[in-house]
Amino acid sequence: AQKVTQAQTEISVVEKEDVTLDCVYETRDTTYYLFWYKQPPSGELVFLIRRNSFDEQNEISGRYSWNFQKSTSSFNFTITASQVVDSAVYFCALIAMDSSYKLIFGSGTRLLVRP
Amino acid sequence: NAGVTQTPKFQVLKTGQSMTLQCAQDMNHEYMSWYRQDPGMGLRLIHYSVGAGITDQGEVPNGYNVSRSTTEDFPLRLLSAAPSQTSVYFCASRGLAASNTGELFFGEGSRLTVL
Repeated sequence: AQKVTQAQTEISVVEKEDVTLDCVYETRDTTYYLFWYKQPPSGELVFLIRRNSFDEQNEISGRYSWNFQKSTSSFNFTITASQVVDSAVYFCALIAMDSSYKLIFGSGTRLLVRP
Repeated sequence: NAGVTQTPKFQVLKTGQSMTLQCAQDMNHEYMSWYRQDPGMGLRLIHYSVGAGITDQGEVPNGYNVSRSTTEDFPLRLLSAAPSQTSVYFCASRGLAASNTGELFFGEGSRLTVL
């Protein structure tokens, strides 16, 4: 069975601080994809990134960066120089392609960036 | 380009009433799914379908029915609504081609309140 754990329920930072959102996953499948989605206060789900299990290169996109480590089953997300507009709930998710069509979500981390 | 369209966006029901949440996608995606989002629990998969005529249960299927008569539509039925079904519901779809990497495209959500 697959499982995604986001242990941080809520994080509060002051604008311009860096913040890292943790994600730990469990799966027995060898082929899988990991995702991060953002849910702003308006409620829609916004896709941020996907990573496949064969590519452990870290990725940077502007102020966002992702650290994928298979050795620790983690896929952490860092926002550099946070802004108020980053305030949202962030979800990590996993889909194991070998055995399931099910995208499994973590419980989410609510990020509050204060001015 | 409509993507995934859900209706209604808001609905209030009384216990025991029935209703159908509609979901339509125009991307010719084989896979469609329904999630419910509850505070502190992330998104949980209710039902999913990998093509017309094929449906299967997710994590929390009880109290919900689905059918998939066309590629485009995947309605979610509540036959006898209960207060425990008060939630925000998201429909999502994706293609299943070998080149597809599992990214789900989400509708805007439907907020259901059962009194």
